[in-house]
Amino acid sequence: EPEVTQTPSHQVTQMGQEVILRCVPISNHLYFYWYRQILGQKVEFLVSFYNNEISEKSEIFDDQFSVERPDGSNFTLKIRSTKLEDSAMYFCASSTGTLLPDEQYFGPGTRLTVT
Amino acid sequence: DAKTTQPNSMESNEEEPVHLPCNHSTISGTDYIHWYRQLPSQGPEYVIHGLTSNVNNRMASLAIAEDRKSSTLILHRATLRDAAVYYCILRDGLAGSARQLTFGSGTQLTVLP
Repeated sequence: EPEVTQTPSHQVTQMGQEVILRCVPISNHLYFYWYRQILGQKVEFLVSFYNNEISEKSEIFDDQFSVERPDGSNFTLKIRSTKLEDSAMYFCASSTGTLLPDEQYFGPGTRLTVT
Repeated sequence: DAKTTQPNSMESNEEEPVHLPCNHSTISGTDYIHWYRQLPSQGPEYVIHGLTSNVNNRMASLAIAEDRKSSTLILHRATLRDAAVYYCILRDGLAGSARQLTFGSGTQLTVLP
């Protein structure tokens, strides 16, 4: 069964450093998403991406964040200058982009630890 | 998206049915009811969705009240692997490009052996 993959599974970085989280969505999917979950808290939407541009973004997704689809398979989330409060699980998801309900498939997540 | 209310936690015995309730009194006519779950240390996983009629799939059943102000996710025979946080989420069918999921706190289901 096709699945969303994410790398790395765990990333440790120092405050102020740039990190890039990588995702490979399911191959025939057209919508891509990033969510995050701070330990013990709710899953929060960050951004959705369709047709090579941002479709929606939350207020969390400020200028420190960017997304890119550098090739036909990868989807990346970049945090330019990490802060302690960026420590969280980051989940990538993808969906076909058909009419709703348009089920989203989530990856296993990347645990980001900012020290 | 309209707000949903779920119990914080529920317990079930293995191999017994589980009924997970969700209240959504402000649901609009175009809102779909979705259920996702999150197993420990994993990403969320789609379970089922519905609009007005009851729905069944290989994972679960969804019973929707006639006035649509509440719904119930039914796991027919709970297994230890079903222990997870279950999220009831409303999504507007006319939302167009706004496809993000808004997760609440969900219901933590504990399955007892």
